[in-house]
Amino acid sequence: GENVEQHPSTLSVQEGDSAVIKCTYSDSASNYFPWYKQELGKRPQLIIDIRSNVGEKKDQRIAVTLNKTAKHFSLHITETQPEDSAVYFCAVYLYTGRRALTFGSGTRLQVQP
Amino acid sequence: EAQVTQNPRYLITVTGKKLTVTCSQNMNHEYMSWYRQDPGLGLRQIYYSMNVEVTDKGDVPEGYKVSRKEKRNFPLILESPSPNQTSLYFCASSAAGTGNGKLFFGSGTQLSVL
Repeated sequence: GENVEQHPSTLSVQEGDSAVIKCTYSDSASNYFPWYKQELGKRPQLIIDIRSNVGEKKDQRIAVTLNKTAKHFSLHITETQPEDSAVYFCAVYLYTGRRALTFGSGTRLQVQP
Repeated sequence: EAQVTQNPRYLITVTGKKLTVTCSQNMNHEYMSWYRQDPGLGLRQIYYSMNVEVTDKGDVPEGYKVSRKEKRNFPLILESPSPNQTSLYFCASSAAGTGNGKLFFGSGTQLSVL
């Protein structure tokens, strides 16, 4: 099956700085890469996603980049704000017989005001 | 309002006492899934269902059962809970056409097995 590694596990930045979270995956046939944000005590929610035929996608202060050759993708958050503090999960979708998402282990981002 | 509803939100039980966590979605989604969340391990899939009467094992199915008799409901059953099943559980659903990647999560069930 797919193997997803996510780094770093914790990240602390000053308000206004940028934050970058990276994930690597093992199966080159994976074709969909969403990112989920989980605030403390809340459910994970999709914040941005990218498909394998696209190299970069932006949505206001967040962006995701995909390097299919190297099999890694990254979440970029610019001009961080305290409300960006949360756990972020990357995920990889690979169509197998069971069509499942495999999640990374999560990154706890703390934005210091 | 489109949502995935899980109940209960918190549950404390004892080893061996059967329990059921309910999950219901009102978006007419074909795909439903259960995950458990443990510190440092991310979200691991327990069981999933592609449609009514179609269920299959995920990565960590041992000790769990599911059923999908109706499209909207996907209950998680622990026949004989053990302490290693203490975890935060999430139900999720998605429309089949999205490749099952755009998941909508329920609010979670924090289970403690003593």
